[in-house]
Amino acid sequence: SQQGEEDPQALSIQEGENATMNCSYKTSINNLQWYRQNSGRGLVHLILIRSNEREKHSGRLRVTLDTSKKSSSLLITASRAADTASYFCATNFGNEKLTFGTGTRLTIIP
Amino acid sequence: NAGVMQNPRHLVRRRGQEARLRCSPMKGHSHVYWYRQLPEEGLKFMVYLQKENIIDESGMPKERFSAEFPKEGPSILRIQQVVRGDSAAYFCASSPRTGTDEQYFGPGTRLTVT
Repeated sequence: SQQGEEDPQALSIQEGENATMNCSYKTSINNLQWYRQNSGRGLVHLILIRSNEREKHSGRLRVTLDTSKKSSSLLITASRAADTASYFCATNFGNEKLTFGTGTRLTIIP
Repeated sequence: NAGVMQNPRHLVRRRGQEARLRCSPMKGHSHVYWYRQLPEEGLKFMVYLQKENIIDESGMPKERFSAEFPKEGPSILRIQQVVRGDSAAYFCASSPRTGTDEQYFGPGTRLTVT
């Protein structure tokens, strides 16, 4: 399966702490994207990182990509209660469709 | 610029009925993707369409499911003779062009089959 797999499946941290989620995949990619989904809602695009990039930042988000290890990480710094959501990585293998992992459920404890 | 629109947001159907899910892509986007999300799972690709063409339907079940994206109007995902296992959230996404751009997702249609 080409499916990405997130790790951990669930993560609970105190507000203000940093949260790190990891994603692994199995074959070469064109890009990798991270999405957030609040309970019962649609997906919000967070960051796209291309296969020739190693790191990208957007506000409190930092994404890294290691193509040699076929893995990516999403770091959320100074977490807030509003960051409580499920986070998915999605890989693009160059055939247009996105392949999603099973997600990490993040809970921020006030 | 309005985002991707899907309707209805919630749809309840009895077993054996037909379900029609609509998706209007973002203005200027000519690529539409449908994904299905079962409870507590990630999204699974179903079909990729451009105007009047099905480009990739490798994720579509062979029977009862069909999709179209006509020259005018929204993209439609049709499920005939629904069964309880079809209960899921169905998401539509759009992108402006071929390649590696991000996809913009709609709010989803939650289908419940009773």
